[in-house]
Amino acid sequence: GAGVSQSPSNKVTEKGKDVELRCDPISGHTALYWYRQRLGQGLEFLIYFQGNSAPDKSGLPSDRFSAERTGESVSTLTIQRTQQEDSAVYLCASSYRGGRSGPDTQYFGPGTRLTVL
Amino acid sequence: AQSVTQPDIHITVSEGASLELRCNYSYGATPYLFWYVQSPGQGLQLLLKYFSGDTLVQGIKGFEAEFKRSQSSFNLRKPSVHWSDAAEYFCAVGVRFGNEKLTFGTGTRLTIIP
Repeated sequence: GAGVSQSPSNKVTEKGKDVELRCDPISGHTALYWYRQRLGQGLEFLIYFQGNSAPDKSGLPSDRFSAERTGESVSTLTIQRTQQEDSAVYLCASSYRGGRSGPDTQYFGPGTRLTVL
Repeated sequence: AQSVTQPDIHITVSEGASLELRCNYSYGATPYLFWYVQSPGQGLQLLLKYFSGDTLVQGIKGFEAEFKRSQSSFNLRKPSVHWSDAAEYFCAVGVRFGNEKLTFGTGTRLTIIP
């Protein structure tokens, strides 16, 4: 089946503009994660959605960042008034939170490369 | 809070040679541990994961990793590397309770030379 998809693959914007990044998780996956990967660094957790529970927003770096998810489908990450330090690759992952033991496997999308000029 | 250290930023290995990538973690209990690989222009792919039981974990592409509680380590190994193994490798830790968000190391870039 199809994997996690993200759009756009690349986004160049001017400082101060708002951007929206989209993630389509694997069908049937109840959990969805957003991560940020700055150049030369590891991934930073941003936000987590699980079913209809309140999202875990503990990783969002500022109130300029927000995300929504409709049910168990598409998610949108919005960055308002973009700054140059927001330049990074934004990765989305999804997983199936079933009753099995052990950790879920997170399946990652190819990412959106955001460049803020 | 948990953390992950990958002390080697860049490693160069000859094709056919053995490989070991180091990963150390900090967490108050036994964590979930993962190795992911990121090839240029591609998303992250899970190589293997550990959560309990046998401390030697086998993964895809001939990789294995060993969990050593006493050393807080989860090093990745491969007995003979192939040119296609050139990529960025990330170690990650997940907590056992909560949302299982992953904390990643900064990655190790692997270069393969003929």
